[in-house]
Amino acid sequence: SQQGEEDPQALSIQEGENATMNCSYKTSINNLQWYRQNSGRGLVHLILIRSNEREKHSGRLRVTLDTSKKSSSLLITASRAADTASYFCATGDGYSGGSNYKLTFGKGTLLTVNP
Amino acid sequence: NAGVTQTPKFRVLKTGQSMTLLCAQDMNHEYMYWYRQDPGMGLRLIHYSVGEGTTAKGEVPDGYNVSRLKKQNFLLGLESAAPSQTSVYFCASSLKGGTQYFGPGTRLTVL
Repeated sequence: SQQGEEDPQALSIQEGENATMNCSYKTSINNLQWYRQNSGRGLVHLILIRSNEREKHSGRLRVTLDTSKKSSSLLITASRAADTASYFCATGDGYSGGSNYKLTFGKGTLLTVNP
Repeated sequence: NAGVTQTPKFRVLKTGQSMTLLCAQDMNHEYMYWYRQDPGMGLRLIHYSVGEGTTAKGEVPDGYNVSRLKKQNFLLGLESAAPSQTSVYFCASSLKGGTQYFGPGTRLTVL
């Protein structure tokens, strides 16, 4: 099954710096999503980018998608201590008449932002 | 609007016991999902449902059963718990694919 793999597994930066996380996947996708998980909590959706899009912004987040390289990156600018969390990419396996839609999650990048 | 809720939040079982985890959503979503999350493994899909009365197997369905009798509820059952089922279980829902909304999780320990 197609699966996103995040890189790096862990990232530690200082407040105010930018954080970049990468995701690679194996097969063609319908869309790619990024989620955040604070320790011990459920996942929260951050952003969705479709296969025909190359870049998307949401506040301090910037996501790029390169379908030729089967990769995506998530950039968090001007990071804050509150951004400390695990970040997961998830690939959507297509939309077959609305009857079959699943996501496959990677193992995540643990981001620590030091104050 | 509570979103996605899960009951219980914590549970400790002995090997061989059974239990049911309840997921409820008040967003009128068609799709619902059960995942398990283990250290270093990310989230793995156990079962999912694309509508009331329908269920389908995910990546790791063995040892689990599910039911979707009402659109707003998705139940995950463990008939005979094993230590390998010690995990954190997350329920999620989505309108019709796309963004998934997650519950807070159930932390299950099987002794």
